[in-house]
Amino acid sequence: EAQVTQNPRYLITVTGKKLTVTCSQNMNHEYMSWYRQDPGLGLRQIYYSMNVEVTDKGDVPEGYKVSRKEKRNFPLILESPSPNQTSLYFCASRAIGSGLAKNIQYFGAGTRLSVL
Amino acid sequence: SQQGEEDPQALSIQEGENATMNCSYKTSINNLQWYRQNSGRGLVHLILIRSNEREKHSGRLRVTLDTSKKSSSLLITASRAADTASYFCAVGRTGTASKLTFGTGTRLQVTL
Repeated sequence: EAQVTQNPRYLITVTGKKLTVTCSQNMNHEYMSWYRQDPGLGLRQIYYSMNVEVTDKGDVPEGYKVSRKEKRNFPLILESPSPNQTSLYFCASRAIGSGLAKNIQYFGAGTRLSVL
Repeated sequence: SQQGEEDPQALSIQEGENATMNCSYKTSINNLQWYRQNSGRGLVHLILIRSNEREKHSGRLRVTLDTSKKSSSLLITASRAADTASYFCAVGRTGTASKLTFGTGTRLQVTL
C-alpha cells in the first residue's frame, strides 16, 4: 500500500530537549516536504526536498532542520524545541515530472507535538 | 501570506444539500487542487484542475476555475454526514512546479 508514515503520532516534550520526527514514504517520490498546521493559519511549509541531499527552506524554517540522506526518508529535527513549536506536523511526498498524477501530494497521518 | 484563501471559514448544512466552498489566490498558477482533512488527520487529495481548464467533475465533486478572477469553487452535491471535514485549496504556482501553497481551509459540517 502506498503511504507516508510519520512517527511518533503524539509527542510531549520539554523546552530544549532535542527531538526528531521521522517520515518515510514507499512510493519512490523525489519530492518530500514538512508542514505545520496551526488554527487559523492553515498549512505552512517548513522545509522541502527535491531529491536526495537537496533540501531547501519553506515559509517557516526557523527552529527546524531536515536531512535527506535516502530517498524514502525525510526526518524533521528540532534541536532546541520551544513552546511556539507546539503544533500539528505533516510530512508529504509527491513525484516530480510531467503528468497530472505527479502534482498530487500524499500526506502522512500527522504528528501532534506539545512543547512544555 | 497565504496564496489560497477559502471562503467561508465554516459552513453548516443538512444532509442532502449542496455545499459550495470558494478559494481565491493571488498570482499565476499552474494548477489548483482541493484536499480534504478529517479532524486531526492527514490531507487527502480530491481533485486537480489545470490552469487551462474551467471545470472538472469527480463523482459528487465539481470544481470550477476562473483564472481572470483568480478564484476557484468546490461544489459537493447531495452532501452526506461523512462529508464532514475541512477542505483546503492548494495552488501550484507557475515557475515553482513542485511547491503547493495551502489556504486556511473551510470547515464543513453536514448534519442529519
